[in-house]
Amino acid sequence: DSGVTQTPKHLITATGQRVTLRCSPRSGDLSVYWYQQSLDQGLQFLIQYYNGEERAKGNILERFSAQQFPDLHSELNLSSLELGDSALYFCASSTRDRSYEQYFGPGTRLTVT
Amino acid sequence: AQSVSQHNHHVILSEAASLELGCNYSYGGTVNLFWYVQYPGQHLQLLLKYFSGDPLVKGIKGFEAEFIKSKFSFNLRKPSVQWSDTAEYFCAVNQGNQAGTALIFGKGTTLSVSS
Repeated sequence: DSGVTQTPKHLITATGQRVTLRCSPRSGDLSVYWYQQSLDQGLQFLIQYYNGEERAKGNILERFSAQQFPDLHSELNLSSLELGDSALYFCASSTRDRSYEQYFGPGTRLTVT
Repeated sequence: AQSVSQHNHHVILSEAASLELGCNYSYGGTVNLFWYVQYPGQHLQLLLKYFSGDPLVKGIKGFEAEFIKSKFSFNLRKPSVQWSDTAEYFCAVNQGNQAGTALIFGKGTTLSVSS
């Protein structure tokens, strides 16, 4: 158990819908990262937050957005869902801003039908 | 842009065989290097990491990796694999000397160990 929690574990929804994935980082970790894992693209970085502020963006679609709240949990919002958005979404957290080690949560498996 | 290449997509070994998984990265600056393992149905777990110093790093479960800067490589090794090592292995890199940067992952190598 890495100490990073993600809910829900599984999510099945229809095309065009909007979903919210939630992540709670390890106690004391200020940075949260979101990654998408799919069969064709592999593991890709989406977005990073540090202490409530967006720090870096990767291959995140405009239909996707995220935020980090004062209690440091983070939410990833996916809207206008397409079949190709079906994937495993991981959240990771790290300690101080200069920490290089990231701890991963169990992931949320999203299936878009 | 940084990229990570893992040469083997699927490796099949018998128990007690030796393992070496290749990983090459493209980035000219200082990097931090990682190997993660993902057991079936589980989350990513850190096997080992290299930041600086001794280029031969030892991780958990008997794994080790060697950083060869001139070859931009960070290959993972284990002298004798076990059935329980069956998993997917990911090499990852992020920029060194930069605060909290995202990981760039390779495509992964699936290791199947038969007993």
